[in-house]
Amino acid sequence: GDSVTQTEGLVTLTKGLPVMLNCTYQTTYSPFLFWYVQHLNEAPKLLLKSSTDNKRTEHQGFYATLHKSSSSFHLQKSSVQLSDSALYFCALGTGGYKVVFGSGTRLLVSP
Amino acid sequence: NSKVIQTPRYLVKGQGQKAKMRCIPEKGHPVVFWYQQNKNNEFKFLINFQNQEVLQQIDMTEKRFSAECPSNSPCSLEIQSSEAGDSALYLCASSLLGLSYEQYFGPGTRLTVL
Repeated sequence: GDSVTQTEGLVTLTKGLPVMLNCTYQTTYSPFLFWYVQHLNEAPKLLLKSSTDNKRTEHQGFYATLHKSSSSFHLQKSSVQLSDSALYFCALGTGGYKVVFGSGTRLLVSP
Repeated sequence: NSKVIQTPRYLVKGQGQKAKMRCIPEKGHPVVFWYQQNKNNEFKFLINFQNQEVLQQIDMTEKRFSAECPSNSPCSLEIQSSEAGDSALYLCASSLLGLSYEQYFGPGTRLTVL
């Protein structure tokens, strides 16, 4: 069945360093991939989305490229800020309007 | 900013009691989703609707869980007989029709079953 794998449960970094959060997926459909961010006690919000192979998409300093050949959609940022501390979810849009979420990665940024 | 409204924000029930939560989707969004987010922050899809019709639901929701999205009324998710394992954050989201459209989430209803 359709699935999303996020390998890191927790990533801790110092402010100003680069980050990459991994996301791989499995589906038999043409994939739509999303990254959602959930700050503490807030609703998840869309950060990025893509369905175009090998095209970088960017928003709020974060970027990701969908690579269909490797079934990946890793989230990156060149310099993390304290305000980036949050839960990050990779999600896959599949047939039947169902969206499958990964297990999430908690990013903690320290001063 | 999302305008998905969920009520109540917090719900406390005893085991065996009914628990009901409501969701008003963003205006113009025909698709509504319900998710359960557990203490490990994992999302579990429960059910989704297109207007009033169920699109998909998992087996769990066919037993103690029921949901509906009546015309001109809030959508609702009800647990007939709450269990301790049902304690979680229940998130409602809505979207336009189509896989490429993002979901707009409400703030959730945090259910605690004592």
